[in-house]
Amino acid sequence: SQQGEEDPQALSIQEGENATMNCSYKTSINNLQWYRQNSGRGLVHLILIRSNEREKHSGRLRVTLDTSKKSSSLLITASRAADTASYFCATDPVSTDKLIFGTGTRLQVFP
Amino acid sequence: DGGITQSPKYLFRKEGQNVTLSCEQNLNHDAMYWYRQDPGQGLRLIYYSQIVNDFQKGDIAEGYSVSREKKESFPLTVTSAQKNPTAFYLCASSIPAFRKDGELFFGEGSRLTVL
Repeated sequence: SQQGEEDPQALSIQEGENATMNCSYKTSINNLQWYRQNSGRGLVHLILIRSNEREKHSGRLRVTLDTSKKSSSLLITASRAADTASYFCATDPVSTDKLIFGTGTRLQVFP
Repeated sequence: DGGITQSPKYLFRKEGQNVTLSCEQNLNHDAMYWYRQDPGQGLRLIYYSQIVNDFQKGDIAEGYSVSREKKESFPLTVTSAQKNPTAFYLCASSIPAFRKDGELFFGEGSRLTVL
């Protein structure tokens, strides 16, 4: 069963705008990771946030985690056409030893 | 360069045939994983291995088999028992197992189509 559910399912924006995608999950976690997937390619790890962290930055990426609401958000600032991809959250639940991936958000950035 | 190599990238199979997807890594990672991805869905875990000569079933292991005879290799066989094998298959590896903050490194995937 899916632990993480991203929303929106799809997002279209213009270059230079910010893109925000959200991930909700069901059970307590050790950490949450975000991955990016270009069409027809493998996934690439973007960032990991631990359950005791609230916010993390990496370049143009900003990730927040609210464990009370069981949700996380990924913000991409000043988006570029090259950011066009699908973005997945993956949770590491306390109760299992497996990462669980969400269904992803498809981001389209128009030049 | 270090990385994960999956082959073939595209594979066509007739119904009733077994096929084997190759996954090789030179990252010296202990753990390796196979995921299946269907359109509009997330990744679902098929099998994983945390050490040589040992592997565990994931969430959708039925109709699949694996082996882990060498640290760098984790081939996946899609058997004729898998009822709906057409999908995109992704192999991944990590230094420690899932629960120790290990990020996953993915291959480029193999797309299997059953004719």
